[in-house]
Amino acid sequence: GQSLEQPSEVTAVEGAIVQINCTYQTSGFYGLSWYQQHDGGAPTFLSYNALDGLEETGRFSSFLSRSDSYGYLLLQELQMKDSASYFCAVRVFSGTYKYIFGTGTRLKVLA
Amino acid sequence: EPEVTQTPSHQVTQMGQEVILRCVPISNHLYFYWYRQILGQKVEFLVSFYNNEISEKSEIFDDQFSVERPDGSNFTLKIRSTKLEDSAMYFCASSPAGASGNEQFFGPGTRLTVL
Repeated sequence: GQSLEQPSEVTAVEGAIVQINCTYQTSGFYGLSWYQQHDGGAPTFLSYNALDGLEETGRFSSFLSRSDSYGYLLLQELQMKDSASYFCAVRVFSGTYKYIFGTGTRLKVLA
Repeated sequence: EPEVTQTPSHQVTQMGQEVILRCVPISNHLYFYWYRQILGQKVEFLVSFYNNEISEKSEIFDDQFSVERPDGSNFTLKIRSTKLEDSAMYFCASSPAGASGNEQFFGPGTRLTVL
């Protein structure tokens, strides 16, 4: 089967750096995305990695190691508004494209 | 800035009834998706749609579900004979292209409550 694993919850203080890990077991792996979702809101796209390495977008960075079936989202200079759930999502290809979402990591940012 | 819209925001229905959830994807996008999220759980892929036909569907998307693009702008999800366990938030998403459209734009969702 296809599965993704993320920690269920992470807590950090304002201004800190936090890393949210995602490990996956899939066939036809094509890329790894990260989405942010505030309570009651829709997922919003943060980043996408198809190749190994680090992608940086402002305070957020995302890393992928295809050989390790592992990726992470790095959030720097945490702000209170970063409190949300973060989902990794694997894009797989088996003739057509499909997304499989992880169970999500709830990030709590404390003052 | 263009966005995906969904109507209604909240739908309440009786078990066994049919519901139609509506979505207007971003106008120049080519790929459309439906997801559902049961309260407190992860987002689950239901179906993707391209070129007026289903391109991929999950095991959740059984004969109870159907999708349609009745005109050039709307994209609908029909759920026949709703069950209590269909209660969830349903998100529509669209992307510019399948191969390079890694970013999916999500609508605000429709909360479906089956009584």
